[in-house]
Amino acid sequence: LAKTTQPISMDSYEGQEVNITCSHNNIATNDYITWYQQFPSQGPRFIIQGYKTKVTNEVASLFIPADRKSSTLSLPRVSLSDTAVYYCLVVDYGGSQGNLIFGKGTKLSVKP
Amino acid sequence: ETGVTQTPRHLVMGMTNKKSLKCEQHLGHNAMYWYKQSAKKPLELMFVYNFKEQTENNSVPSRFSPECPNSSHLFLHLHTLQPEDSALYLCASSQVAAESYEQYFGPGTRLTVT
Repeated sequence: LAKTTQPISMDSYEGQEVNITCSHNNIATNDYITWYQQFPSQGPRFIIQGYKTKVTNEVASLFIPADRKSSTLSLPRVSLSDTAVYYCLVVDYGGSQGNLIFGKGTKLSVKP
Repeated sequence: ETGVTQTPRHLVMGMTNKKSLKCEQHLGHNAMYWYKQSAKKPLELMFVYNFKEQTENNSVPSRFSPECPNSSHLFLHLHTLQPEDSALYLCASSQVAAESYEQYFGPGTRLTVT
């Protein structure tokens, strides 16, 4: 059972900033917050990972408040190619393998 | 390039056939995974191999049989499948005990059972 809740779908337009929020009320001390992106008929691709505060890479930013019960993936200036499903996961890196449990994800549609 | 390859990319098989899916990772990782993705359902973890040893089997029916001969190769042997087994089967790899358990996925095999 997925330990996260996120919107089923979101729409945006090219050039806009997109923020996808994920709830993980029961996050544990050893859990990291991880986001993956999946295009149709392809495997998911790692985007970003964080534990607390803010993490930024060349693709996205991840904002995590102090209580860590939610997180927000921010995609700056999206393009049509960012249309995909985005998965929020909490991963126990204190466990044996950090097994991933995927939920249904958020289907982002970017329009021209 | 993900560094994880899967063959075949598409497979159509009858319920009485026996076939195998192959996965190969070129990343030097020590863990490999099989996932199943059905239409309108989340990705489901099927099997986990860590250092070639199976460490997890998520109640997968015995008609799916994994094999991991070495840390770079992973197979999924299929026999007497059912139409509901039609799905995208994804292989992934990761480096266990690294700072990040980031998993690298292959492109998947689209399986249709007729």
